[in-house]
Amino acid sequence: ETGVTQSPTHLIKTRGQQVTLRCSSQSGHNTVSWYQQALGQGPQFIFQYYREEENGRGNFPPRFSGLQFPNYSSELNVNALELDDSALYLCASGWTAGGTQYFGPGTRLTVL
Amino acid sequence: DQQVKQNSPSLSVQEGRISILNCDYTNSMFDYFLWYKKYPAEGPTFLISISSIKDKNEDGRFTVFLNKSAKHLSLHIVPSQPGDSAVYFCAASATLGGSSNTGKLIFGQGTTLQVKP
Repeated sequence: ETGVTQSPTHLIKTRGQQVTLRCSSQSGHNTVSWYQQALGQGPQFIFQYYREEENGRGNFPPRFSGLQFPNYSSELNVNALELDDSALYLCASGWTAGGTQYFGPGTRLTVL
Repeated sequence: DQQVKQNSPSLSVQEGRISILNCDYTNSMFDYFLWYKKYPAEGPTFLISISSIKDKNEDGRFTVFLNKSAKHLSLHIVPSQPGDSAVYFCAASATLGGSSNTGKLIFGQGTTLQVKP
């Protein structure tokens, strides 16, 4: 049984660009969630997908969007990047909404 | 508003002693609580959880205590080891439907634990 994986590990973009981050959930998990972690803070919930449909969203603007695919993979897309989007982006998967979530190693995004 | 708070940014203990990390929450809809450990350049690793129907859960050296009336939980690590040095996050979620928090984990700001040899 493999854990949660994310790609890429690091990414540098410029303001105004678009970025796609990828995640492969643990096999058998039905939910995938994305979190943003700024330096010195706890992870902040962006949104969750349950069986390929959005199942809750945090306080993030619509330029943050996502997809979940049947093969346990997921994407986080961010349009019109801003400097404040620089953060560690974490993907987490689990069996049920609200239950234990298992995190990947994260993607460090730097926006210049 | 900060629904989950970890008021101690850091804690230092001697190897072999007990580490106690604290967490407070404000939302009475939370019914499931978790602790994660995070090393630099890694994602959070799940440690232990507790449902609101319990007041204690134990797993090896780790014990979580929940005091619902005080809206407080704590993580005890006994005995502490140098490898336990990391940032510890508590998180809460509402697992019942109908809450705006359903499906998401709300995290505290984290406590950096240093275990000295």
